[in-house]
Amino acid sequence: GNSVTQMEGPVTLSEEAFLTINCTYTATGYPSLFWYVQYPGEGLQLLLKATKADDKGSNKGFEATYRKETTSFHLEKGSVQVSDSAVYFCAHSGGSNYKLTFGKGTLLTVNP
Amino acid sequence: EAGVAQSPRYKIIEKRQSVAFWCNPISGHATLYWYQQILGQGPKLLIQFQNNGVVDDSQLPKDRFSAERLKGVDSTLKIQPAKLEDSAVYLCASSLEGGSTDTQYFGPGTRLTVL
Repeated sequence: GNSVTQMEGPVTLSEEAFLTINCTYTATGYPSLFWYVQYPGEGLQLLLKATKADDKGSNKGFEATYRKETTSFHLEKGSVQVSDSAVYFCAHSGGSNYKLTFGKGTLLTVNP
Repeated sequence: EAGVAQSPRYKIIEKRQSVAFWCNPISGHATLYWYQQILGQGPKLLIQFQNNGVVDDSQLPKDRFSAERLKGVDSTLKIQPAKLEDSAVYLCASSLEGGSTDTQYFGPGTRLTVL
């Protein structure tokens, strides 16, 4: 079936540290892959996406590469800031009617 | 560009009562989604509309949940009667066409507490 498995949190880092949040998926067909972010008190918003194999999505210093061979879409950032503290969700559109399947989310806290 | 609007933001009811949520999608977006997000989990799709027709309601508990999208714009989601396990955040999202590469834009959500 369709599923998304992402790194269990919470993740706590110091400012300027390197971030990786792992995400793997199972899906039928050729889904698009997404990272959504939820800042405290706000709704979900798209962080980045990739629509085909080997594509790299990037935004606000975050990057993720669509790896079809390992069915992965790991999120990385070279130097995190306090303002990056949020919950991060990995998702794919491989379900019927292209519905999104989400992971459970990873809470990131960045300390000054 | 205005985002997805939802109301109310918070609702507290007792079990067996009914409740309704409202959503106004981004103008021009054909596809509208309702998700349920239980604490500590990712959002789960309840129902998907394309214009005013239902595309997918396979995970909607139809004995107590109903949804409609009149005139292909605004939508309401109703729960009657509510159970304790319905406590969650209900998210509305919209996208331009509902295709595989489409970005879904989410509203702020309605946090429902059932006592």
